[in-house]
Amino acid sequence: DQQVKQNSPSLSVQEGRISILNCDYTNSMFDYFLWYKKYPAEGPTFLISISSIKDKNEDGRFTVFLNKSAKHLSLHIVPSQPGDSAVYFCAASGTSYGKLTFGQGTILTVHP
Amino acid sequence: NAGVTQTPKFQVLKTGQSMTLQCAQDMNHEYMSWYRQDPGMGLRLIHYSVGAGITDQGEVPNGYNVSRSTTEDFPLRLLSAAPSQTSVYFCASSPPGLHTGELFFGEGSRLTVL
Repeated sequence: DQQVKQNSPSLSVQEGRISILNCDYTNSMFDYFLWYKKYPAEGPTFLISISSIKDKNEDGRFTVFLNKSAKHLSLHIVPSQPGDSAVYFCAASGTSYGKLTFGQGTILTVHP
Repeated sequence: NAGVTQTPKFQVLKTGQSMTLQCAQDMNHEYMSWYRQDPGMGLRLIHYSVGAGITDQGEVPNGYNVSRSTTEDFPLRLLSAAPSQTSVYFCASSPPGLHTGELFFGEGSRLTVL
């Protein structure tokens, strides 16, 4: 039972445009949601997070939106840059300290 | 600081062989964990530890063993390797009191079981 789902395996956008990556979850006990970025042959690196008590968190070009009623979150990247090309993982944490549940990942390709 | 260091980066095993993936962190993090990444599956938690001497199972623990004798090290042992354990393995750590669940990952160890 996949508690965190990223239904789009890949996304292709033009440089300068907006990238929107989506994530759905089923467990209402999750209280933090995170996005990780992963380049080939490297480990995932933390990008941005949001608490379940908020609906938006912004950090530079990256904004995460949370819709708790729909159990949906999204990551917006504006403007997209070729260096943003990577795999993006959505993850969620609940009451168990440090345990993250990950989505399948979305491959983002930003074309110059 | 080196962060989270994993060795080896690549390993090929034959079915039935055993081996240990090493993980060390120099950030004095209490929490450490092992994940495996498989195509279309994301990252799945194998085992984790909330401090020296304490370990527990994650989502996919079968075929793996862990121990935590020091804060710095968290080795993952494959007892009798199977082709289904072909994967990329990531070790991660987290400092105490970080309620967001943010993890710091190593660079990964790619394991192939023939």
